[in-house]
Amino acid sequence: NAGVTQTPKFRILKIGQSMTLQCTQDMNHNYMYWYRQDPGMGLKLIYYSVGAGITDKGEVPNGYNVSRSTTEDFPLRLELAAPSQTSVYFCASRLDEKLFFGSGTQLSVL
Amino acid sequence: QKEVEQNSGPLSVPEGAIASLNCTYSDRGSQSFFWYRQYSGKSPELIMFIYSNGDKEDGRFTAQLNKASQYVSLLIRDSQPSDSATYLCAVSRSGGYQKVTFGTGTKLQVIP
Repeated sequence: NAGVTQTPKFRILKIGQSMTLQCTQDMNHNYMYWYRQDPGMGLKLIYYSVGAGITDKGEVPNGYNVSRSTTEDFPLRLELAAPSQTSVYFCASRLDEKLFFGSGTQLSVL
Repeated sequence: QKEVEQNSGPLSVPEGAIASLNCTYSDRGSQSFFWYRQYSGKSPELIMFIYSNGDKEDGRFTAQLNKASQYVSLLIRDSQPSDSATYLCAVSRSGGYQKVTFGTGTKLQVIP
């Protein structure tokens, strides 16, 4: 039972490049979330999903897109990377009141 | 006004003392309240959640909730150096609206 798996763990992008952060969970949870965490800060919600085919914006959605074609997968897409998107990204799934976090992706945009 | 506010700290306490961490929230519709612990370079992990006014105890941890004052706190008794971490307060509404909102966290340092 792997829980929530995020790939890659580290990535450096050039300004204007695109990439997809992958997130997969094997717990059959309906609710999934993408957060970003800037140094010394808390977690800011980017997007969330309450089930396959249903997504909604969080606090800081600009510059990002998501899809949820299956219960297991919730990828986060950066279309035109900007230095402001340098951060640590956490994917999480939720069962009842508990969030299960992946190990995070550290992204630098230079 | 931030949805969830915490003092960023650091809060320094000696080993064996009680650490008190505080959080206020702005959404009166919030029904569920959480404390997550995050070690440096790691992902957050849930340590406590509380729904009802009053206290909830789990080992050395006690969560306290006052909905009228929109205030939630976490007490850590007999603090240990291993408790040194950032503690994130989070809130959510119940039912179909499942967005979980986090505060910026309080860094706790337990001094041996």
